Formats: sequence, C-alpha cells, structure tokens
Amino acid sequence: EAGVAQSPRYKIIEKRQSVAFWCNPISGHATLYWYQQILGQGPKLLIQFQNNGVVDDSQLPKDRFSAERLKGVDSTLKIQPAKLEDSAVYLCASSSPTGSSYEQYFGPGTRLTVT
Amino acid sequence: QQQVKQSPQSLIVQKGGISIINCAYENTAFDYFPWYQQFPGKGPALLIAIRPDVSEKKEGRFTISFNKSAKQFSLHIMDSQPGDSATYFCAASIGGGSNYKLTFGKGTLLTVNP
Repeated sequence: EAGVAQSPRYKIIEKRQSVAFWCNPISGHATLYWYQQILGQGPKLLIQFQNNGVVDDSQLPKDRFSAERLKGVDSTLKIQPAKLEDSAVYLCASSSPTGSSYEQYFGPGTRLTVT
Repeated sequence: QQQVKQSPQSLIVQKGGISIINCAYENTAFDYFPWYQQFPGKGPALLIAIRPDVSEKKEGRFTISFNKSAKQFSLHIMDSQPGDSATYFCAASIGGGSNYKLTFGKGTLLTVNP
C-alpha cells in the first residue's frame, strides 16, 4: 500500500512570496489533515478535511493560509504572503477511521524555509 | 494553551537500558492517547496507543502506562536499541470518526548509545 505522498520535499522562499504544497493521501482515505511542525515542537493541526469538506480550520491563519481538497482526494495548502515565522515542516496525514482504528498516516513533509 | 505536556525534552540511554518518557494532560475529555515515533526527514508514525479504560498496554518492547486520576501517561521502552533513537511524541484526542483530532506534546529526542 502506497503511503501519503507530498511535494515538494523542500522549499526556500523569501518573505512576502507565495508557496503551495501538494498532498496525495492513501487511496480510499476520506479524512485528510494538514499539520505545521515548527522545529523542536510537535505537529499542530492546521486544517482537517472529510472528503472534500472542511471539518476544522480553527487554527488555520486564514489571512494568509488557504487549503482545498478538490474531488475529495488530493489537497493543496497555500501560503500567501509568507512570513519568517512560517518556516516549518508541513505535514499531511490521512486516515480512514473504521471500528476502533484511529491511526493517522503521515507523509514525509515539506520543509519550508522563509528568508 | 498547551494541553499535553511532555518530558523530558531529551533523553540519553545506554543500549539495553529502559527509556521512560512522560506526558500529562489537562482535558479530561481526551479518550485516546497514542505515541508517535519520528525519524529525521520522515513523518511521525504510530507506535502504540491506549484508551483510558485500561491502565497498561504492551506491544513488544514498548509499554504505555496510564494513570487516569493523575491525568498522566508514559511510554517505557525496554531493552532500548540504537535503532530506537528518534523523536517521540505523545498525543491525545477526543472522539473518533470525522472528529478525531490529535493534540501533540512537544516531543522527546531519544538517543540510545551503543
């Protein structure tokens, strides 16, 4: 079974530029998450999708961050304009809760450096 | 507001020793407590998880101990190996299905010396 795919793996941009990250979840997983992991901290949930609908975006800085999941499969996360404090690893995860299984499967992440 | 507090930040253990990482939570509504393992350049991967209706869960060399009254849980790694060197995150969540959202601790960097 293929895992969660993310691209690009690394991105360096200057502040005030825009950037987009792509995620392809595990086939058949209805729930998709985007997390922000700042160096030395645990992942923080930014947004959660169920199919192509948003379940929770309460921690997404909506003035600069946006995300979409068209057709309920792939997802993109965009930052515009980027700030220095957005430097982090952006992790995508997917899950398909069945029975008592709540495991979230994480992709390798995209490391963003804002200079 | 940090809802899950994890300690220590870093831990060095000799091969064959026991590694112990502790977490404390505040929200009594949490009902699922997983531990994730993360290697450099990789995403976190589920290691072991527990629900509050049991006090201990063991899978191989990994054991979770859970104290509901103290709102604390810990990960014990027996016979620690150099391959266990990674960052470990405790987490907690409420509910399941489409409402399943994880709150992570800040992580513990474990180094197992050969």
